[in-house]
Amino acid sequence: AQSVTQPDIHITVSEGASLELRCNYSYGATPYLFWYVQSPGQGLQLLLKYFSGDTLVQGIKGFEAEFKRSQSSFNLRKPSVHWSDAAEYFCAVTLVFGTGTRLLVSP
Amino acid sequence: DAGVIQSPRHEVTEMGQEVTLRCKPISGHNSLFWYRQTMMRGLELLIYFNNNVPIDDSGMPEDRFSAKMPNASFSTLKIQPSEPRDSAVYFCASRGGRYNEQFFGPGTRLTVL
Repeated sequence: AQSVTQPDIHITVSEGASLELRCNYSYGATPYLFWYVQSPGQGLQLLLKYFSGDTLVQGIKGFEAEFKRSQSSFNLRKPSVHWSDAAEYFCAVTLVFGTGTRLLVSP
Repeated sequence: DAGVIQSPRHEVTEMGQEVTLRCKPISGHNSLFWYRQTMMRGLELLIYFNNNVPIDDSGMPEDRFSAKMPNASFSTLKIQPSEPRDSAVYFCASRGGRYNEQFFGPGTRLTVL
């Protein structure tokens, strides 16, 4: 069965600092992997996706993610966080979503 | 394109009443999804359609829930009778286009008293 684990419920990062959000998945075949962002009261917006090919994927808003098959991971990264990045982030494999990580950005 | 459109945005009803949530997918998308989001259970896939045909409804919690897609531009999710534990935000999403990406609507916040 497919499953997605986001081990961090909350993360606080200082503005300008780097960010890494963790995602681990369980899937029997080559996964389709996604990261979404959800601002309060809004729907989910796709940040980036991995289907195949280069394991380092670039997305919108300066985000990137790296697919590591050996670790069953698809961690999201950003080199310098902005206050507007504060939101909830969801990792997904095909149609199964993780429980989300809420990002707080401190001044 | 206006994106995925959902109505109503907010719904407050009493236990036992019928609730109908509506969704208009992005024109040209051939897949439509209904999700439910709660604090306790996170984001759950309820059902999805390909070309108006239900493909997987295993996430529909019980017989009180039903979904239809009579044509490519409209879908409904109905709860009858509603219960307080159905209170959640219900999202509709459609998928398609050149990169087969999934786009979410703004959601319907349902409160059952």
